[in-house]
Amino acid sequence: KAGVTQTPRYLIKTRGQQVTLSCSPISGHRSVSWYQQTPGQGLQFLFEYFSETQRNKGNFPGRFSGRQFSNSRSEMNVSTLELGDSALYLCASSLVQGKGTNEKLFFGSGTQLSVL
Amino acid sequence: AQKITQTQPGMFVQEKEAVTLDCTYDTSDPSYGLFWYKQPSSGEMIFLIYQGSYDQQNATEGRYSLNFQKARKSANLVISASQLGDSAMYFCAMRELKNGGSQGNLIFGKGTKLSVKP
Repeated sequence: KAGVTQTPRYLIKTRGQQVTLSCSPISGHRSVSWYQQTPGQGLQFLFEYFSETQRNKGNFPGRFSGRQFSNSRSEMNVSTLELGDSALYLCASSLVQGKGTNEKLFFGSGTQLSVL
Repeated sequence: AQKITQTQPGMFVQEKEAVTLDCTYDTSDPSYGLFWYKQPSSGEMIFLIYQGSYDQQNATEGRYSLNFQKARKSANLVISASQLGDSAMYFCAMRELKNGGSQGNLIFGKGTKLSVKP
């Protein structure tokens, strides 16, 4: 079974541009979450999508947005890039069979975004 | 206040020895889950072990065990018989379904960098 796939692996952009990152979850997984990882702030939750609906959102400005398609694939978009947006962006998927606390998140290898 | 605290930025362990990575957490939710993930230099986060707040026994997964002390709010990871391939960043994380939480939202600690010496 293929794991979580994120594309592209590396991305270089300049300030003011926008960027779109893609995530394909494990087959059958309906929940996709996005995280930002930086050396200073660590891993921070961006948002979670389930059945094409945003279910939860972290404390990030509106420049960060996402969406989920009917096949559970997800994209996140960052507009008007700032230097501080340079980070590893990780996507995670989960099965979401119930409402318990034990659902494992399976992560992709991430997209390393550098903003110059 | 931080919800997940990992006080050891870096640790060294000799190959084949055991090592304990510390994690303390803070939550008012009676139902929560605790996770440990490993992140090698490739970047992918690899699930290691899970402990639920109502679980009576400490979780074990192969060489990994979780020393869960609920009253002290600690969930330390124990790796037995360390291997060179264990060198990586290790993150403790918590899921709480109240206080704005959801299943896709894990709160992570800052991590501990483990280096295994031959």
